[in-house]
This record gives sequence, C-alpha cells and structure tokens, in this order.
Amino acid sequence: SQQGEEDPQALSIQEGENATMNCSYKTSINNLQWYRQNSGRGLVHLILIRSNEREKHSGRLRVTLDTSKKSSSLLITASRAADTASYFCATDAAGNQFYFGTGTSLTVIP
Amino acid sequence: DTGVSQDPRHKITKRGQNVTFRCDPISEHNRLYWYRQTLGQGPEFLTYFQNEAQLEKSRLLSDRFSAERPKGSFSTLEIQRTEQGDSAMYLCASSLTGLMVYSPLHFGNGTRLTVT
Repeated sequence: SQQGEEDPQALSIQEGENATMNCSYKTSINNLQWYRQNSGRGLVHLILIRSNEREKHSGRLRVTLDTSKKSSSLLITASRAADTASYFCATDAAGNQFYFGTGTSLTVIP
Repeated sequence: DTGVSQDPRHKITKRGQNVTFRCDPISEHNRLYWYRQTLGQGPEFLTYFQNEAQLEKSRLLSDRFSAERPKGSFSTLEIQRTEQGDSAMYLCASSLTGLMVYSPLHFGNGTRLTVT
C-alpha cells in the first residue's frame, strides 16, 4: 500500500512559471523526501525535510512540511522544460522502509 | 561513485517461467531496497536488506518472490512461475544508514519485466 498521495495528479505550466505540488500522508514520520523521475528512468532524490523542520530550500526548490496536517508541498520556481518529470514524495515509516506517493506528472511547456 | 546498476534493463518472458534480476548498489551503502512500479503509480515497497540480512518484506511479496543479498553486496530478486500481473518496472535502491549517518535512496534505472 502507498502511504502518500500527491496532488494534483498532473500539472501543465509555461516555462518560467512556478509549479506547486502537494503531498499528504497517513502516519507519523521521521522525515519526508521528494524525488523526481524522468520517463523510463529511476528516481532521483531532490530534497529531504525532517519532521522537526517546517521549511527547506535547495536552489529553485522550496519544501514545506506541516506535521499537524500530515502534508507537505514542493514549489519549483522559474520552471524549465527540463523540469518535466514525475515528482513523488516519500515518507519513512517506523520500519525504515520508504513509502512513496502516487506522483504528480509535471509538464513544462517551452 | 558509479551509481546503482540493474541488469537486465528489459526482460520479456512467458507466463510460468522464472526470472532473476540483479542489482549492484553503491559499494559503501549498507542498505538495499527493492520496489515495484506499475505505469502511472509510485514505487511500491517490496523488501529491504541491511547488509546481508533481509529485515522486512512487504505483504505484496508472495511466495513466488525471493530476494537475496549474499555477502551484503549485490542482490538478486527472483520471481518464480511468473504471471501477467508481475509485469512492472522493478527498481533497486541503496542507501547508507547508521547512527549519525543518513543518506537518501539512490535508485538504479530499473528492470522492466513484461510477462506474455
């Protein structure tokens, strides 16, 4: 079973615009991570936020975490065509396995 | 850092045949994970190893699935008597985890299995 759900399922924006995607999860977590997956490839780690953090930045990425609402958001600023990919959140449960959400498919139109 | 490699990239097999996939993790990583991903879905956890010990298996992993990690290095995932529902991308990931060390998952590019 999958722990998280991303919203929206699909997002299409113009190059230069910002993209925001959300993740909701079900149980308490130690940390939450965001990954990117290009078509037919493995996942690439983007950013990790710990349960005691509320916001984190990395380049054009900004992640927020609200543990009271069991939700996180990923903001990609000034999007580029190369950002076109699927984005997944992943949470670590007590057993140390990582559960992934269903993903947001982002299309950035040049 | 040569990354996580998986072999083969693609496998087509007939229903009822056995298949085996191999994963070579990043050499210093002590944890190795197997996931399965179907089209339009996120990766589903199957099992993970800490060194050579298999610490957890998902209920998704039926008796037809077995994974090994001899000597705590590479890992194999075998599926016996394949069924069409086994068609998916099988992803391997590794990480380094310890008392004061934590790394995210590093994924291979997966093995795409098609059962005809």
